[in-house]
Amino acid sequence: AQTVTQSQPEMSVQEAETVTLSCTYDTSESDYYLFWYKQPPSRQMILVIRQEAYKQQNATENRFSVNFQKAAKSFSLKISDSQLGDAAMYFCASRAGGANSKLTFGKGITLSVRP
Amino acid sequence: KAGVTQTPRYLIKTRGQQVTLSCSPISGHRSVSWYQQTPGQGLQFLFEYFSETQRNKGNFPGRFSGRQFSNSRSEMNVSTLELGDSALYLCASSLTGKTNTEAFFGQGTRLTVV
Repeated sequence: AQTVTQSQPEMSVQEAETVTLSCTYDTSESDYYLFWYKQPPSRQMILVIRQEAYKQQNATENRFSVNFQKAAKSFSLKISDSQLGDAAMYFCASRAGGANSKLTFGKGITLSVRP
Repeated sequence: KAGVTQTPRYLIKTRGQQVTLSCSPISGHRSVSWYQQTPGQGLQFLFEYFSETQRNKGNFPGRFSGRQFSNSRSEMNVSTLELGDSALYLCASSLTGKTNTEAFFGQGTRLTVV
């Protein structure tokens, strides 16, 4: 079984600044994947970044990067140079390896960006 | 390339009724998963269909069911609706459903039970 915990319900960041969203997870799987999804007011979930657990190198996608601490089961998302369009709900999620497609989500965090 | 399409976008039903939601995956995608999103419980996995077969199932009562057609389009059905079934229902499609393929989500169907 997998669990994902996002303990901060809301965060705010000034435009152009950097913000870090926290996530911890628990899993009994040795092969698993971690994700951050963004859900803007349009409700459509958009994949922001993905991390394969077997990779030690932290994933990076443009202004988005993760800090993956496998031993601590921590998976935080850093957004650099925050933009107004980054305002949304962000969900951390995990998925076991293999053919199992089930995503386990955290409760999400609402990020607001101040102009 | 068209994205994942869910219909209808909004739905209002009365307790005790049944409802059918539809999801058309991205062309070529064979895996379709369904999730329920509520403010209290967050996002919860309902089930996944792959090549017309249910491959995974979450912890929902039997009132929640689904199916997938040969063109990969999927429907989910909720019978004997309860107030607590009010939620955003999201559908996600992927090529094979294996972990290393990205899941693409639709915009969801907002179901309100009154």
